[in-house]
Amino acid sequence: TQLLEQSPQFLSIQEGENLTVYCNSSSVFSSLQWYRQEPGEGPVLLVTVVTGGEVKKLKRLTFQFGDARKDSSLHITAAQPGDTGLYLCAGAGNTGKLIFGQGTTLQVKP
Amino acid sequence: KAGVTQTPRYLIKTRGQQVTLSCSPISGHRSVSWYQQTPGQGLQFLFEYFSETQRNKGNFPGRFSGRQFSNSRSEMNVSTLELGDSALYLCASSLGTAANYGYTFGSGTRLTVV
Repeated sequence: TQLLEQSPQFLSIQEGENLTVYCNSSSVFSSLQWYRQEPGEGPVLLVTVVTGGEVKKLKRLTFQFGDARKDSSLHITAAQPGDTGLYLCAGAGNTGKLIFGQGTTLQVKP
Repeated sequence: KAGVTQTPRYLIKTRGQQVTLSCSPISGHRSVSWYQQTPGQGLQFLFEYFSETQRNKGNFPGRFSGRQFSNSRSEMNVSTLELGDSALYLCASSLGTAANYGYTFGSGTRLTVV
């Protein structure tokens, strides 16, 4: 069974701080996606990474796919209260399904 | 363009009853997937439909079923509801395979079983 483990599970920081969220597995994924979910809403796709070592930037968010395609990280620079939410990583498994991590709940306090 | 629409948004049912949830995907999206989200288990895959055929199925009991219509709209049904079925049920549509195109999720149906 392919699993994705996210860490940390919870993160509470002050506005302006930097943070990194990790998504790890012992399995290889053909691609990996990051979503953000706000309370009362469904997850929203932020990015898809497909190549080992790939780095993508989305404004203050930097996403990296590990060289072996078993892990990924999301780095947020100068976090803002609008970044608050549940961050989910999802990997394309060998059965064709997207497998989601448990999520990281981020709270950014003004 | 319109997003993924799920109805109803909230539902309260009694143990033993059955429930049907509806999902209208983004126009042109032929793949529809359903997920159950709970605080303890996170997002758990229920099933995926593509062009009216079930393409993938998760590890849920047979009480959970779904279908997709020719216009790509999808429904999922849960029979003989249990307290543990209380969850947010999310529908997601994709242009092709989710691995390549990603999902667009609806806002979900919050089901409470009492």
